[in-house]
Amino acid sequence: SQQGEEDPQALSIQEGENATMNCSYKTSINNLQWYRQNSGRGLVHLILIRSNEREKHSGRLRVTLDTSKKSSSLLITASRAADTASYFCAPAGANNLFFGTGTRLTVIP
Amino acid sequence: SQTIHQWPATLVQPVGSPLSLECTVEGTSNPNLYWYRQAAGRGLQLLFYSVGIGQISSEVPQNLSASRPQDRQFILSSKKLLLSDSGFYLCAWSGQARNEKLFFGSGTQLSVL
Repeated sequence: SQQGEEDPQALSIQEGENATMNCSYKTSINNLQWYRQNSGRGLVHLILIRSNEREKHSGRLRVTLDTSKKSSSLLITASRAADTASYFCAPAGANNLFFGTGTRLTVIP
Repeated sequence: SQTIHQWPATLVQPVGSPLSLECTVEGTSNPNLYWYRQAAGRGLQLLFYSVGIGQISSEVPQNLSASRPQDRQFILSSKKLLLSDSGFYLCAWSGQARNEKLFFGSGTQLSVL
């Protein structure tokens, strides 16, 4: 399958804690992307990491990529209640992006 | 700046009725355009993508069709809706490289009753 598979399916943490979500995939990729979706809304692009990169940062987000293990992780540091959303990874091969079922993150104030 | 418009936001349709969802993009030329569907609690399923006017590729055979009559307009249609067509429909665009980042519309919640 070309799509990413996120783990865990759901995650509940206290505000201020860090949240880590994982993604596994099966095909070769050019890049891997992470998106966020608030309930009932469209997806918003968070970060793109290319296949020759191992780590990337954007604000409170840190993404790692291990192409040998075909896996990626998204770390959100110092979480806030506003981070409550679903997070999707999208491995990108030569063509289109295919999304998994996401990780539902709940940050408790 | 680029913007994407998708409407309507919600739609309730009876089984067997036709469907037309519209998506338009502003501020960019010759975008790649996509229709995704998200069933309740599920991931996104790519339905159609288009690299240019009149060029439509279908990822999943189904009761739906897509058309691109203008460069920045993408339409999702059905002649007769099924109960299984219910879901959250998302339009998106990207630049020329289909594996670069996507910009999504706000979605249409379709309920077929």
